[in-house]
Amino acid sequence: DAGITQSPRHKVTETGTPVTLRCHQTENHRYMYWYRQDPGHGLRLIHYSYGVKDTDKGEVSDGYSVSRSKTEDFLLTLESATSSQTSVYFCAISGGAGGNEQFFGPGTRLTVL
Amino acid sequence: QKEVEQDPGPLSVPEGAIVSLNCTYSNSAFQYFMWYRQYSRKGPELLMYTYSSGNKEDGRFTAQVDKSSKYISLFIRDSQPSDSATYLCAITRNSGYALNFGKGTSLLVTP
Repeated sequence: DAGITQSPRHKVTETGTPVTLRCHQTENHRYMYWYRQDPGHGLRLIHYSYGVKDTDKGEVSDGYSVSRSKTEDFLLTLESATSSQTSVYFCAISGGAGGNEQFFGPGTRLTVL
Repeated sequence: QKEVEQDPGPLSVPEGAIVSLNCTYSNSAFQYFMWYRQYSRKGPELLMYTYSSGNKEDGRFTAQVDKSSKYISLFIRDSQPSDSATYLCAITRNSGYALNFGKGTSLLVTP
């Protein structure tokens, strides 16, 4: 998985609770992304980062926030989890020597009850 | 209209067949084209990456891009049961931009 880890790998939580997902890379890539994958929708961008402390919104950012205080870590927070946020979340990185290719982590399966 | 259209399948072929997977896109600003393979409950794995129109070959896989028609294809020769997975096309404008994904085509290669 190109030196990308995600934690936790599985999580079950209740509606209204905050949840933080972590993405950690060992590749020193500049760009990091959070996607969610849902049946019928495919992969959709939530937020992305183009450097430490530099982030921007993606297509489905409502209800999510992100932070990047170090090159290697990108955190995704669900401020108050809802059932519609039940999904599989993938982190991706790009900006290495290869340039434009994006490499994905193993995913976090989140269930909100 | 979604920016990337991909037939979801499922597509079922016998072992050894040639598989053709296709996507169309709507915006000529897209310059970089990728194919990912995703096994069940795993992350997408980058298979092919192309920039220009034409063909790029890697083993049994060939990626084809026709920018004039906004059409990209992935061909798999001598398909194997281990090729059974979902194949995702993805396109982007440049480094640092998010990928626009097709919804994926589910492929089953039967022995």
